[in-house]
Amino acid sequence: ETGVTQTPRHLVMGMTNKKSLKCEQHLGHNAMYWYKQSAKKPLELMFVYNFKEQTENNSVPSRFSPECPNSSHLFLHLHTLQPEDSALYLCASSPKSGLGTYEQYFGPGTRLTVT
Amino acid sequence: QQQVKQSPQSLIVQKGGISIINCAYENTAFDYFPWYQQFPGKGPALLIAIRPDVSEKKEGRFTISFNKSAKQFSLHIMDSQPGDSATYFCAASVSNFGNEKLTFGTGTRLTIIP
Repeated sequence: ETGVTQTPRHLVMGMTNKKSLKCEQHLGHNAMYWYKQSAKKPLELMFVYNFKEQTENNSVPSRFSPECPNSSHLFLHLHTLQPEDSALYLCASSPKSGLGTYEQYFGPGTRLTVT
Repeated sequence: QQQVKQSPQSLIVQKGGISIINCAYENTAFDYFPWYQQFPGKGPALLIAIRPDVSEKKEGRFTISFNKSAKQFSLHIMDSQPGDSATYFCAASVSNFGNEKLTFGTGTRLTIIP
């Protein structure tokens, strides 16, 4: 596997379910991100982790709970979601090496449908 | 408040033509402006990026034009090909020593017709 992988690629869950999204990066990067992509809206940054520490929580509801056990893995735990949470959830990673290194590498995303 | 405004929402260009997508930003602290390309079923991928110390950057058929005074930047795709059909996102961020937060535009769905 190369780059950034995400599983599952598709997920349908009821509002009372608990599920988790997984992201793994094989690039040796130290920063990882969760984004939400909804139709006709800008990509919304949700969380940022640098060296396993959360450095950004963009006012995300507590029904989304991130976890970063190491620099290569990132999880998004979901519980009691709402239908408006249906979207494509993208994971990204980037090297954290100071000024001048910005490229974020995205995974293919998990298409989430909340019923 | 949308900090990066992108237009048009969709664009149809004939093969061989020039595709132009525009973005405008509000935050004068932004100092990095990338363009991402996204194909269906894939995540966005960096296409080309520019910093405000230059007015233009060219990579192959792709060119970014940057107008700092107008707070605008645009992507030009020369000799557009059907394989360029994708959704394009502009973005902007403030240098923060590796802790960058990209602010994205809403995207432009580009279709190149034969």
